[in-house]
Amino acid sequence: GAGVSQSPSNKVTEKGKDVELRCDPISGHTALYWYRQSLGQGLEFLIYFQGNSAPDKSGLPSDRFSAERTGGSVSTLTIQRTQQEDSAVYLCASSPGNSNQPQHFGDGTRLSIL
Amino acid sequence: QKEVEQNSGPLSVPEGAIASLNCTYSDRGSQSFFWYRQYSGKSPELIMFIYSNGDKEDGRFTAQLNKASQYVSLLIRDSQPSDSATYLCAVSMDTGRRALTFGSGTRLQVQP
Repeated sequence: GAGVSQSPSNKVTEKGKDVELRCDPISGHTALYWYRQSLGQGLEFLIYFQGNSAPDKSGLPSDRFSAERTGGSVSTLTIQRTQQEDSAVYLCASSPGNSNQPQHFGDGTRLSIL
Repeated sequence: QKEVEQNSGPLSVPEGAIASLNCTYSDRGSQSFFWYRQYSGKSPELIMFIYSNGDKEDGRFTAQLNKASQYVSLLIRDSQPSDSATYLCAVSMDTGRRALTFGSGTRLQVQP
C-alpha cells in the first residue's frame, strides 16, 4: 500500500487479556516507530526500529509491552495482561531512515480495555 | 518544564486571516522540526518540516525556525474552516534516538 497500514483499527478486550497490534510500514522505509496517544494526552514514544539494529525500547512503559519487527518490515506490538490504563490509540509511523526524514503515521489502533 | 511546549488554545481566527502557531523546545541538540495536523479522531498528518534557521514556505503554510531562541512557528495564510484542527509541534535529534518528541498541540478554530 501507499501508506502505513495498521490493524485492527479498533480493539476491545477485557482486562488481563493479551493483545497484538500490527503495523505494515510504507514500502522501502527502514525506520518504524510506535507511539501511544491517550485521551487528552500528547503522543508518547514507545519503541523504534531501524533496519537490523537493536530496537530502542526506552519508551516502553512496562515489561508487559514488547514489540518485534520481522524481516525488516511488518511490526507487532504486544501488550500482555492488559490494564485499563493501557486504553489509548496506538500509532505506528515509518520513515526512510537514512536521515532524519519526516515520519508518516498510520490510522492507528484504538484499544479499549474493559 | 516540558520538552516541547505549545499553547493549548483554542486559537480562534476568522476565515481568511493568518493563524500563527508557536512552539518552544528545551533541548538545544534538537535538529529537526515538524508540524503535524490532527483532526479529531484521526491520526497526525505531516504539514511541514524545517531543519535550518529561517523561513520555509509551502503553499499557504510557512514554518519559521530560530534555533538561538529555541522557537519554531507555523503560519497559515488565508485560513479556511477546513484548517480547524489540532496542530502538533514535534522535534527530534539527528543522532541516536530519532523518535519525535511532541508538544501537546494547539487547537485552531477558523470561524466562517
